[in-house]
Amino acid sequence: KQEVTQIPAALSVPEGENLVLNCSFTDSAIYNLQWFRQDPGKGLTSLLLIQSSQREQTSGRLNASLDKSSGRSTLYIAASQPGDSATYLCAPPGGAGSYQLTFGKGTKLSVIP
Amino acid sequence: DTAVSQTPKYLVTQMGNDKSIKCEQNLGHDTMYWYKQDSKKFLKIMFSYNNKELIINETVPNRFSPKSPDKAHLNLHINSLELGDSAVYFCASSQGDGTNYGYTFGSGTRLTVV
Repeated sequence: KQEVTQIPAALSVPEGENLVLNCSFTDSAIYNLQWFRQDPGKGLTSLLLIQSSQREQTSGRLNASLDKSSGRSTLYIAASQPGDSATYLCAPPGGAGSYQLTFGKGTKLSVIP
Repeated sequence: DTAVSQTPKYLVTQMGNDKSIKCEQNLGHDTMYWYKQDSKKFLKIMFSYNNKELIINETVPNRFSPKSPDKAHLNLHINSLELGDSAVYFCASSQGDGTNYGYTFGSGTRLTVV
């Protein structure tokens, strides 16, 4: 059964800093991994979908990497802004063809102006 | 034009009542899901439907009954509501198992049982 760990659980940084969020998962038989953000009281917004054939995926100031063999993914946020404050969730599938995502507990990011 | 829409957004009800949450997606996906986010913010799969067929039922009490009248709709009916059912329920959809394009989530239904 897939298990996901996200470190750190919470992070507070001053505006403008670059930061890295870490995700580890136990079942490496995955075909992709999705990163989401959740604002307080809101739904999940997909940030990046990284395929197992890719090592990195970029969208604006966000860059996600995936290392299946080690069961790790990182989300890099460049030049952080107060609007980046949210909870970031890493979600690999439960395994190949599992028809479900497994979520970590997330990293709560606060960017201080 | 919302991709995955849920109604209602908020639901407050008394213990013992029966309630339904509706979900619709206009993405042309063939797989839909219900997830529960508890008070500790942990998201967990409840049900998965592919082409209207139930493929995952993740140890959810029998009081929860999903229904998929067609590929674009997945409703969740809850009987005899209990205090512990209070949570945010998210609907999601994907094409197949989400291999190529990932998942899209709705904005959630916050259920409060009093």
